Amino acid sequence: DAKTTQPNSMESNEEEPVHLPCNHSTISGTDYIHWYRQLPSQGPEYVIHGLTSNVNNRMASLAIAEDRKSSTLILHRATLRDAAVYYCILRDGAGGTSYGKLTFGQGTILTVHP
Amino acid sequence: DTAVSQTPKYLVTQMGNDKSIKCEQNLGHDTMYWYKQDSKKFLKIMFSYNNKELIINETVPNRFSPKSPDKAHLNLHINSLELGDSAVYFCASSQGRRTSFHEQYFGPGTRLTVT
Repeated sequence: DAKTTQPNSMESNEEEPVHLPCNHSTISGTDYIHWYRQLPSQGPEYVIHGLTSNVNNRMASLAIAEDRKSSTLILHRATLRDAAVYYCILRDGAGGTSYGKLTFGQGTILTVHP
Repeated sequence: DTAVSQTPKYLVTQMGNDKSIKCEQNLGHDTMYWYKQDSKKFLKIMFSYNNKELIINETVPNRFSPKSPDKAHLNLHINSLELGDSAVYFCASSQGRRTSFHEQYFGPGTRLTVT
């Protein structure tokens, strides 16, 4: 599985934008970039995913570098409810034996200050 | 309405016992998963079923046996429980064909404690 690298932790103030970086220098052409987050004592929650182009949804935006070796999850206005562990995951989109397998790393612990 | 539900939420048992964790999804998905999150918070996939067929089987001891009676259910049976089995187990589901496994929905987790 291609590997991702994220900072262990980041801090933000409420109502400020947050940019969570992820490096994935060994990404292959068929790998999708997924972001999930895990709030305390809950199961992981899907945030966003993309392949090559930047993506926006109601939760966040995903900015993907042109060479696809890095990406950034953008929370436009952090709230206290956004405090969670954020996971950047590469998922093989070529099918075969991967079948949707998600390989979670250690993630980034996001702390949001009031 | 709960999308992915697991029972029980907490399970405390002694070494050597056999226990089961049940998972149900009401999303109409055709793929279900079991993940294990250990004390260091690492989340690892264990199994995945697509239309009741086992498609992912990671390196998991034979004591763990998933069973999928239908597309909406994926149960996890664990024989001869060991201390190292203590963890939080998450069930998940997604709708996908070969290259379309995108959003996975996770259950609330089952915290298993083996004493």
